[in-house]
Amino acid sequence: SQQGEEDPQALSIQEGENATMNCSYKTSINNLQWYRQNSGRGLVHLILIRSNEREKHSGRLRVTLDTSKKSSSLLITASRAADTASYFCATDAHAGNMLTFGGGTRLMVKP
Amino acid sequence: AAGVIQSPRHLIKEKRETATLKCYPIPRHDTVYWYQQGPGQDPQFLISFYEKMQSDKGSIPDRFSAQQFSDYHSELNMSSLELGDSALYFCASSRMGPVNSPLHFGNGTRLTVT
Repeated sequence: SQQGEEDPQALSIQEGENATMNCSYKTSINNLQWYRQNSGRGLVHLILIRSNEREKHSGRLRVTLDTSKKSSSLLITASRAADTASYFCATDAHAGNMLTFGGGTRLMVKP
Repeated sequence: AAGVIQSPRHLIKEKRETATLKCYPIPRHDTVYWYQQGPGQDPQFLISFYEKMQSDKGSIPDRFSAQQFSDYHSELNMSSLELGDSALYFCASSRMGPVNSPLHFGNGTRLTVT
């Protein structure tokens, strides 16, 4: 990945457990976004956190951002089998909204 | 709600052939982006257009070109296709604003070069 790495690359958990995915990036950013991708499908926007924010919630999602460490985490609480997908972080360092995606975490939630 | 429409859904071409991928953004979205995603890879930015003008350029090969038309739809033209061009090609659209807005992705065109 040109921008950073996601950790872990793959995660397998049981339904009801929490899933935490981490993302690191290299350049200064305006905001960081998380996207979800089901196999072979388009990416779906989940949540956006601005560079001056430290934490954001949306339903069962919680995102943190540490600009000093250039890292972010996505927490999915009370996971469901339907959460099985790949999750990507994406950053923008330009006003033009060009996004650079990280390597993605493949999450499998077993029923 | 209307989403980003891409066509065709699947495309099979031979080496050295040409291909044209089409993208119809969400109504009133003024920005279109093209991404390439190889098997097991993260999406790589190719090119974007704002109000029909190229705004950013990423890792787009010289063999590829793109444009955005007056109705805001966009086409990605690919020539002299190579085996390594086999990938999912996504189009995304957004509405530019003071705070960068999320991208809305289409379901992609799966290009297979044989």
